Amino acid sequence: DVKVTQSSRYLVKRTGEKVFLECVQDMDHENMFWYRQDPGLGLRLIYFSYDVKMKEKGDIPEGYSVSREKKERFSLILESASTNQTSMYLCASSSGQGEAFFGQGTRLTVV
Amino acid sequence: GEDVEQSLFLSVREGDSSVINCTYTDSSSTYLYWYKQEPGAGLQLLTYIFSNMDMKQDQRLTVLLNKKDKHLSLRIADTQTGDSAIYFCAEGGTDSNYQLIWGAGTKLIIKP
Repeated sequence: DVKVTQSSRYLVKRTGEKVFLECVQDMDHENMFWYRQDPGLGLRLIYFSYDVKMKEKGDIPEGYSVSREKKERFSLILESASTNQTSMYLCASSSGQGEAFFGQGTRLTVV
Repeated sequence: GEDVEQSLFLSVREGDSSVINCTYTDSSSTYLYWYKQEPGAGLQLLTYIFSNMDMKQDQRLTVLLNKKDKHLSLRIADTQTGDSAIYFCAEGGTDSNYQLIWGAGTKLIIKP
């Protein structure tokens, strides 16, 4: 089975902290994605990566950065966490067109 | 731009059929997907349909695609309490192969 693992299920951070969300996939997928999910807004793409060290901005990249040093790992970084970044963060990977496999999600609360 | 729309809530009685609807704007999509998200979990692919198909059936699930109206539906027969989830419609497989365009999700509520 494809496995996408996010490092934390729940995180609570203080405003202004630097936050790292880690995601690892074990299927040698080229593409990896970070989404945030908010009620009534569905999934919004923050960043995606189609190869090691390659990244592209999604729909809402402001306040976030990403790192992909190895094919299996894609990290989302909140440079200075703010309360409006409280959300569910979902990582996904895919091998090409379409079907994406998701991690279990990280619920981040910024206080 | 590209857009996928679906209603936010659907309430059905246990044992009835559920029909979740979705409209999309990008007619060049190759694939259309239904994902399911159970409470507290990530998304899982439920089923998908190629854009050259009209219908796909998989056990209790039936997907109907009307390309002319750009309308996709998911029918769940004999809805059970375990079907309670949020169902996301997504389209993809266009020039921007890496990305899927997502609907906001429909929360399916099962009444006893």
